[in-house]
Amino acid sequence: ETGVTQSPTHLIKTRGQQVTLRCSSQSGHNTVSWYQQALGQGPQFIFQYYREEENGRGNFPPRFSGLQFPNYSSELNVNALELDDSALYLCASSRPGTGRQETQYFGPGTRLLVL
Amino acid sequence: GNSVTQMEGPVTLSEEAFLTINCTYTATGYPSLFWYVQYPGEGLQLLLKATKADDKGSNKGFEATYRKETTSFHLEKGSVQVSDSAVYFCALSGDNQGGKLIFGQGTELSVKP
Repeated sequence: ETGVTQSPTHLIKTRGQQVTLRCSSQSGHNTVSWYQQALGQGPQFIFQYYREEENGRGNFPPRFSGLQFPNYSSELNVNALELDDSALYLCASSRPGTGRQETQYFGPGTRLLVL
Repeated sequence: GNSVTQMEGPVTLSEEAFLTINCTYTATGYPSLFWYVQYPGEGLQLLLKATKADDKGSNKGFEATYRKETTSFHLEKGSVQVSDSAVYFCALSGDNQGGKLIFGQGTELSVKP
């Protein structure tokens, strides 16, 4: 069984640029969630995708957007990058159903540095 | 809204010492509770979980009991090893939240030989 994978592992961008991060969910999982983890902090929920539709969003501006594809992989797009967007971006997948009991399995993350 | 509070770190212990990391939560209804561990430079790994009151989650010698009366989910291990050095996150998933996880700020554990 393949776990959650993310690409790229590291990325350096400058302010104002746009970035796309990618995530492949674990086999059999159709729900993908994205989190932002600033240095020394706990992860913060960005949004979740279920069956290719956004299914819940945290307190992030619209310049954070996403997609989910028919194979359940997902993208996180961030436009007009700001210095504060520098963080580890984590993708997590879970089994069918979006209930509170479902365990989310995390990928290794993409570390984004905005200069 | 829902929230999680963890004891501040870093926590430094000698090998074979007893570990407790406190976690309390605020939530309506009946959340599920989780402990995740993050090793340096890596993502999060599920350590254990509990989905209802009085459940005990356990894994790799770690345990935590879901205490609704004290809204707590403290992590314990009887004898820590150097390899347990990592950051530990307590998290909850609330009712009608679509599985969204709310994390505490994390507690760094350092175990010395």
